[in-house]
Amino acid sequence: DAKTTQPTSMDCAEGRAANLPCNHSTISGNEYVYWYRQIHSQGPQYIIHGLKNNETNEMASLIITEDRKSSTLILPHATLRDTAVYYCIVRLLNDYKLSFGAGTTVTVRA
Amino acid sequence: GAVVSQHPSWVICKSGTSVKIECRSLDFQATTMFWYRQFPKQSLMLMATSNEGSKATYEQGVEKDKFLINHASLTLSTLTVTSAHPEDSSFYICSAATSGRVTYEQYFGPGTRLTVT
Repeated sequence: DAKTTQPTSMDCAEGRAANLPCNHSTISGNEYVYWYRQIHSQGPQYIIHGLKNNETNEMASLIITEDRKSSTLILPHATLRDTAVYYCIVRLLNDYKLSFGAGTTVTVRA
Repeated sequence: GAVVSQHPSWVICKSGTSVKIECRSLDFQATTMFWYRQFPKQSLMLMATSNEGSKATYEQGVEKDKFLINHASLTLSTLTVTSAHPEDSSFYICSAATSGRVTYEQYFGPGTRLTVT
C-alpha cells in the first residue's frame, strides 16, 4: 500500500473552511484516496473517497491533484463538532484493509 | 444504513479474567470484520481480519491464543481477551466490510474501552 503524509495538527476557526492536506506521492493507478475522522473516544467515521476526480458530499469536498500525488480535504464551514483526528488513507481497489497513519489532529476554535 | 454496534461500550475487569466483546452489523451482512486496537494518543492498529465461517487472520505480533476471534454469522463477530493483564487495557474497535458497491466499504463500531485492573 502507498503511504500518506499529513501534518500532525492544525487549528481552524469556527465557521471558516478547513483545508486538510495529504501527500501520497507513491500512489498507484488503482488506489483510491479515502478520508476518515475519529472524534475522541469514538470509532472512525467515513467522510469521503475518490480516485482521480474531485468529489463532494454533504460532509466535505475532496480535491485530488491531476498527478494524484496529493489531495486536500475541505470542510466548508467548520464547527466545534468537527474537532477530531482526520486520517487520509490510500487503498487498493477491492482491498478491504485500511492502514491508519497518525492522521491530523484538527482543533476547531470558537 | 450501515450501522455497526459494539457491546459493551466499556468494561473493567480484574487481571487474569477473560472478557468478550461483541461486534454486530445491524442492517447489512458483513462477510469480513476487522478488529483494531488503539492505545491512548496513538493510531488504530489492525489486530486481525475475520471472515465468516473461517479462522481469523492475525497481524504480526498479535497473539492468536490471547485474542480469540469468532465470526459465527454474517452479522456477528466476537473478540475474547483471555487472561487479561493491565497492558491489554486499550480501546478496541471493530469494523464490518460490505461489498455492496463498486469498492468494498468498511463501517466502524463505536469502540469498547477495556480497563484491566
